[in-house]
Amino acid sequence: QVQLQESGPGLVKPTETLSLICTVSGGSISSGGTFWSWIRLRPGKGLEWIGYVYHSGTTKYNPSLKSRVTISMDTSKNQLSLDLKSVTDADTALYFCARDVEHTWFDPWGQGIKVIVSS
Amino acid sequence: QTLLTQPPSVSGAPGQRVTMSCNGTTSSIGAGFDVHWYQHFPGAAPRLLIYRNSNRPSGVPDRFSGSRSGSSASLAITGLQAEDEAHYYCQSYDDSLSSYVFGPGTEVTVL
Repeated sequence: QVQLQESGPGLVKPTETLSLICTVSGGSISSGGTFWSWIRLRPGKGLEWIGYVYHSGTTKYNPSLKSRVTISMDTSKNQLSLDLKSVTDADTALYFCARDVEHTWFDPWGQGIKVIVSS
Repeated sequence: QTLLTQPPSVSGAPGQRVTMSCNGTTSSIGAGFDVHWYQHFPGAAPRLLIYRNSNRPSGVPDRFSGSRSGSSASLAITGLQAEDEAHYYCQSYDDSLSSYVFGPGTEVTVL
């Protein structure tokens, strides 16, 4: 059974880069045909898809965040990572990683990590 | 960005049936993209509840059902239980944005 766990700093200063790691267990991150996504839940807002990475290294990002986002994977550690640069308080959110099933829905998800942007 | 609309809250007594809507656009649900639903308890991982409009993953009670029509979808909970108190999110794809999209979520309260 695949499980995901997010990790990283819970506090980031404005203008800095938010960096998170998602560790996958119970399955290989490089399994053929598997996409891995980052999604966030901002206070008072709905969920927002940030982007995905494919085992080949191919990525796709939400156009609204594309200029600030980098998603990558480390197959040797079975991890994917998220870098979001030039953060503002609008990036304060609960960040999740999730497996992208058949390129349409997300299952399973990690339990999320709360990140606050504040000086 | 929130490009699917959902009611902020619905409530019902134990045992009742509640429904919640998910309204999209002609470039998302109306374009034929499937709708998926998630249940989320604070502090826990969101759980896939319904995929491809009306399919339940293994382990999801048949009290939960989904449907899609036109540019909208809905989730129904029959025989409402106290443990169903959670936030429910719909998700689809928007072709004009080339992005997955979610609704803002509906909070279910059991009276």
